[in-house]
Amino acid sequence: GNSVTQMEGPVTLSEEAFLTINCTYTATGYPSLFWYVQYPGEGLQLLLKATKADDKGSNKGFEATYRKETTSFHLEKGSVQVSDSAVYFCALLSGGYQKVTFGTGTKLQVIP
Amino acid sequence: AAGVIQSPRHLIKEKRETATLKCYPIPRHDTVYWYQQGPGQDPQFLISFYEKMQSDKGSIPDRFSAQQFSDYHSELNMSSLELGDSALYFCASSLAPTSENTDTQYFGPGTRLTVL
Repeated sequence: GNSVTQMEGPVTLSEEAFLTINCTYTATGYPSLFWYVQYPGEGLQLLLKATKADDKGSNKGFEATYRKETTSFHLEKGSVQVSDSAVYFCALLSGGYQKVTFGTGTKLQVIP
Repeated sequence: AAGVIQSPRHLIKEKRETATLKCYPIPRHDTVYWYQQGPGQDPQFLISFYEKMQSDKGSIPDRFSAQQFSDYHSELNMSSLELGDSALYFCASSLAPTSENTDTQYFGPGTRLTVL
């Protein structure tokens, strides 16, 4: 079956530090890969996505590259801000009409 | 851009009561999904509908039922509520996947259900 493994948190960084949140997956076929973000007390927002190997998703300074050879989709940002503090979920979708499979989430806290 | 709408945003119920959660998908989206997120947990898939027909089923209790209507909105009905049903319930919508589009799911803000 499908599964997503992401690094455990919480991750605490100082403002302007470099961020990496690791994500690896197991899936049948060729999944689409996503990062969703959940700010405190809010719902899930799609942050970025990639639908095929070597695609790079990017949004709001965040990037992730679909690496089929290593089955990974690591999230990166060059300079985090306090406003980036949230829980980040790596997720995949394989096939039509299928459920999104989420990782366990990584809580990021950015301190001034 | 229009997003997924869920109502109510907050709901407080007593044990053994019933609750109905509503979801209005993004315009032109014909597929709806329901997820349950417990405290500190990742969202777990409950059920999905495409063109008013159930398309997939996850770990949804028998006490819960759902349907999709002709205007594509969906309702999740929960009966004999238990304390463990307290969670954030998300609805997501997408276009049915074709060769031209991906099946990206867009999530609503969630309904926070508290069972006392």
